[in-house]
Amino acid sequence: KAGVTQTPRYLIKTRGQQVTLSCSPISGHRSVSWYQQTPGQGLQFLFEYFSETQRNKGNFPGRFSGRQFSNSRSEMNVSTLELGDSALYLCASSQLGQSTDTQYFGPGTRLTVL
Amino acid sequence: AQSVAQPEDQVNVAEGNPLTVKCTYSVSGNPYLFWYVQYPNRGLQFLLKYITGDNLVKGSYGFEAEFNKSQTSFHLKKPSALVSDSALYFCAVRDAGGSYIPTFGRGTSLIVHP
Repeated sequence: KAGVTQTPRYLIKTRGQQVTLSCSPISGHRSVSWYQQTPGQGLQFLFEYFSETQRNKGNFPGRFSGRQFSNSRSEMNVSTLELGDSALYLCASSQLGQSTDTQYFGPGTRLTVL
Repeated sequence: AQSVAQPEDQVNVAEGNPLTVKCTYSVSGNPYLFWYVQYPNRGLQFLLKYITGDNLVKGSYGFEAEFNKSQTSFHLKKPSALVSDSALYFCAVRDAGGSYIPTFGRGTSLIVHP
């Protein structure tokens, strides 16, 4: 099976712009989670989607949003970009979204905000 | 609430020597524990997990981890380190009766010297 894929791998944007990141989970996986990784804050949970519904949400401002499509692919959007949004954005999928499930991560999208 | 601690920011070991990366956790119920490895500019790769059963868990690339309930620890070990094991290692925990969203440690940088 193909792993989790994320596009694009690298993005450079300027403050005030918006950006959309895409994630394709492993085939058959229904849960998709998004994380922000920075050197100072580590891995921070953004949100999780299961069967097209946002099931869990982290403590991020409303500028961060996401959605999941019927084929389980997911997108996240960041509006009005700030310098502090520069980070590696990771997507992870799991088959059933249960506590015993393993999350499998994609390679990430490196976002740089200038 | 669930939490996880990786007390060492960095671990240095000589190639061929055994390695240990430490992880302690706190949950109110039973823990589900995970180890991941991250290479530069890559996503997290799953190594192993403990759900229930045998306290010694074997995983990918020769890694293993021992679940110790009395010490609330889940240390990652390998009998003989390779230079290629140099990477960032993350421990994560879920509370069996709690949220699907895991809590990740801040990561431990493992450096294996030739």
